[in-house]
Amino acid sequence: QSVLTQPPSVSGAPGQRVTISCTGSSSNIGAGYDVHWYQQLPGTAPKLLIHGNSNRPSGVPDRFSASKSGTSASLAITGLQAEDEADYYCQSYDSSLSGSNAVFGGGTKLTVL
Amino acid sequence: EVQLVQSGAEVKKPGESLKISCKGSGYSFTNYWIGWVRQVPGKGLEWMGVFYPGDSDTRYSPSFQGQVTFSADKSISTAFLQWSSLKASDTAMYYCARQALSSSFDPWGQGTLVTVSS
Repeated sequence: QSVLTQPPSVSGAPGQRVTISCTGSSSNIGAGYDVHWYQQLPGTAPKLLIHGNSNRPSGVPDRFSASKSGTSASLAITGLQAEDEADYYCQSYDSSLSGSNAVFGGGTKLTVL
Repeated sequence: EVQLVQSGAEVKKPGESLKISCKGSGYSFTNYWIGWVRQVPGKGLEWMGVFYPGDSDTRYSPSFQGQVTFSADKSISTAFLQWSSLKASDTAMYYCARQALSSSFDPWGQGTLVTVSS
């Protein structure tokens, strides 16, 4: 069980909008830690998609956007394209007795119908 | 271009030792933390910990503390992940990634597949 909870799968038709949620708690997202999002295309390494809750690195299409509120965050993809079919992961930090550790969500598989 | 290039796939037997590498280029290697992430086939990403090549400061995830060792050779801008005694459950893809100022991980290495089987 991951510290950050994501839906296992989402799907949408080309051109549609989908959202992926990332639910945490008061020891991670709710504690003020930033949320980052990664895209992992089949058979490849993860790639940074969004950093600092809502910032797109250079080269990431503006079809991808994200936000954070309270103990949750969400990633939105508009104008869905076949090439968006991938696994998506959120990442933040969690405070515990052992210090602050990076944590990932369990991942969400996006299927483009 | 900032890049991390990892060593090739490994096939080992239980009980054997292993050291895999991650070579950084295009940036000041000693000024950024390097993170290690495990991905068991068909599963999600697990943070193993981070290593700072500048002063060898190390932070392990509680799940991996005592199971692996991080190190680096600054002279060749290369970070290492090593095991002293592999188990079948160590079979996974292992990624290194540079920890950016925003605390995100970017870029990532291409991954090293480690297979442990008798």
